[in-house]
Amino acid sequence: ILNVEQSPQSLHVQEGDSTNFTCSFPSSNFYALHWYRWETAKSPEALFVMTLNGDEKKKGRISATLNTKEGYSYLYIKGSQPEDSATYLCAFNPRDSNYQLIWGAGTKLIIKP
Amino acid sequence: KAGVTQTPRYLIKTRGQQVTLSCSPISGHRSVSWYQQTPGQGLQFLFEYFSETQRNKGNFPGRFSGRQFSNSRSEMNVSTLELGDSALYLCASSLYIPSTDTQYFGPGTRLTVL
Repeated sequence: ILNVEQSPQSLHVQEGDSTNFTCSFPSSNFYALHWYRWETAKSPEALFVMTLNGDEKKKGRISATLNTKEGYSYLYIKGSQPEDSATYLCAFNPRDSNYQLIWGAGTKLIIKP
Repeated sequence: KAGVTQTPRYLIKTRGQQVTLSCSPISGHRSVSWYQQTPGQGLQFLFEYFSETQRNKGNFPGRFSGRQFSNSRSEMNVSTLELGDSALYLCASSLYIPSTDTQYFGPGTRLTVL
């Protein structure tokens, strides 16, 4: 059974501080990794789709890196703002999965003003 | 462009009943995926439809079924409801391939089974 682990489960960060969290996935048979942000009372929203080892993606103050050989991806948030409070989900797509994504349980980020 | 819509938003049923949930994807999107989300769990994949065909299915019992219509709208059905089926059900649409195309999620249907 393929497993995607996200750590930490939750995180409290002071406004203005930078933070990062991890998504771990099986390193063999990699095809793609997705990051989503899910704010309370809203729908999950796509942040990044990453496919190449060493990929770095950036969207405003949020960036992500990918290491497919060791099976992890980091999500970084620079200068956290209250609107960054959300659950951040990653989803792994193995090569032979026939389009099925395997989701982590998420990291819940709470920004303290 | 209208987003993904799901109806109903909330539903209360009793054990043994059946339920049908509906999902309308973004115009032009042909792939629709369904997920179940329960507290503390990641999104659990139910199934994915493309051009009216089920392309992939997750590890859920046969009580969970779905279909897709020619206009890409999709429905999922749960028969003989159990208490453990209480969850948020999300659908997501993408252009063609959910593994590499961005998925756009609907607001979800919150199902409570009493």
